[in-house]
Amino acid sequence: AQSVTQPDIHITVSEGASLELRCNYSYGATPYLFWYVQSPGQGLQLLLKYFSGDTLVQGIKGFEAEFKRSQSSFNLRKPSVHWSDAAEYFCAVGAGRGAQKLVFGQGTRLTINP
Amino acid sequence: EAGVAQSPRYKIIEKRQSVAFWCNPISGHATLYWYQQILGQGPKLLIQFQNNGVVDDSQLPKDRFSAERLKGVDSTLKIQPAKLEDSAVYLCASRTPGGYNEQFFGPGTRLTVL
Repeated sequence: AQSVTQPDIHITVSEGASLELRCNYSYGATPYLFWYVQSPGQGLQLLLKYFSGDTLVQGIKGFEAEFKRSQSSFNLRKPSVHWSDAAEYFCAVGAGRGAQKLVFGQGTRLTINP
Repeated sequence: EAGVAQSPRYKIIEKRQSVAFWCNPISGHATLYWYQQILGQGPKLLIQFQNNGVVDDSQLPKDRFSAERLKGVDSTLKIQPAKLEDSAVYLCASRTPGGYNEQFFGPGTRLTVL
């Protein structure tokens, strides 16, 4: 069965520092991969997605992610974080027929120090 | 374009009571999902609809949970009777037609069972 592991439950970085959030997936075929962000009291917002092609994917709010098949990873990065980036981040893989279902990791909570 | 609408935003009930949540997806989105997000975890799919038919309800606790989408547009999720472990955020999402499973999420309903 498909699964997603986000090894870091909580990460703290200083404003202006770079960020990398880790995501490892388990899936037999080429995966559909997603990163979502959830601010307190809000629903999930899609940051970026990977379906095929270029393994470096650009998303909204200055985020990017790199798909590495050999490592079964899809890590999220941002060169310089802003205080407004503080939120919960979820990695997900498309599962089931036509990849119509999302299987989520447990999330990584990001705290920004001023 | 209006997003996914959910109501109520918050609900507090006693155990063994019943509760219902409502969702109105983005116009034109035939696929609708209900997720349960327990505190500290990623969302878990409960049920998927395609128009007014159920595609996947394998993770829905059918002894107490039910869901319907009678006219293929808005949907209702019901819990009867509620248990303490049902305390969670219930998220509704709808999917763009065709293509690559890009799901759009509503703000969620936070349920507290006392």
